[in-house]
Amino acid sequence: GQQLNQSPQSMFIQEGEDVSMNCTSSSIFNTWLWYKQDPGEGPVLLIALYKAGELTSNGRLTAQFGITRKDSFLNISASIPSDVGIYFCAGQLPGSNYKLTFGKGTLLTVNP
Amino acid sequence: DAGITQSPRHKVTETGTPVTLRCHQTENHRYMYWYRQDPGHGLRLIHYSYGVKDTDKGEVSDGYSVSRSKTEDFLLTLESATSSQTSVYFCAISWTSGAYNEQFFGPGTRLTVL
Repeated sequence: GQQLNQSPQSMFIQEGEDVSMNCTSSSIFNTWLWYKQDPGEGPVLLIALYKAGELTSNGRLTAQFGITRKDSFLNISASIPSDVGIYFCAGQLPGSNYKLTFGKGTLLTVNP
Repeated sequence: DAGITQSPRHKVTETGTPVTLRCHQTENHRYMYWYRQDPGHGLRLIHYSYGVKDTDKGEVSDGYSVSRSKTEDFLLTLESATSSQTSVYFCAISWTSGAYNEQFFGPGTRLTVL
């Protein structure tokens, strides 16, 4: 099936640093979603993107829908210890009314 | 947070036994989904529902069945559990399909099949 390539797989950063992660595909997507998952919990929706070029912020998080519609990135500014977790991207292909395609996640570790 | 609960949260069972997981929502969302999450595979769709008694298969549906008799409840059944079905199972809901398919996830059920 379709795949989303999410990178990096893991990141180790110091508190206060900025973080950037991205998802790419060979396919065009209509929608990009970014989720965060804490250990033992379900994914929580952070940001939803619907238009190519769209840039959306949620607090210290900023995500963009790539112009080619084949990629998206998520930035976290001034990281704090509670940012630790796994971040997933998800995309919806044209004509795929119900199905989301998920990346395999980026594990973020923040050292205080 | 979306009002989604899953039960049980943890279960250990033996190979060959039937298992039913329950997802309950209080949001009156039309669409409901069952995923499994495994290391190296990410989230994979098992089955989904687009209304009461309306369900369809996802990408990893073999060995699983679902039922939805009420808007708020979506049940996932493993007819005869196998060790390969050891996983974390997540239910998700969305209020629409198509381009605005924002899915909200429950807390998950950790299932171990011995």
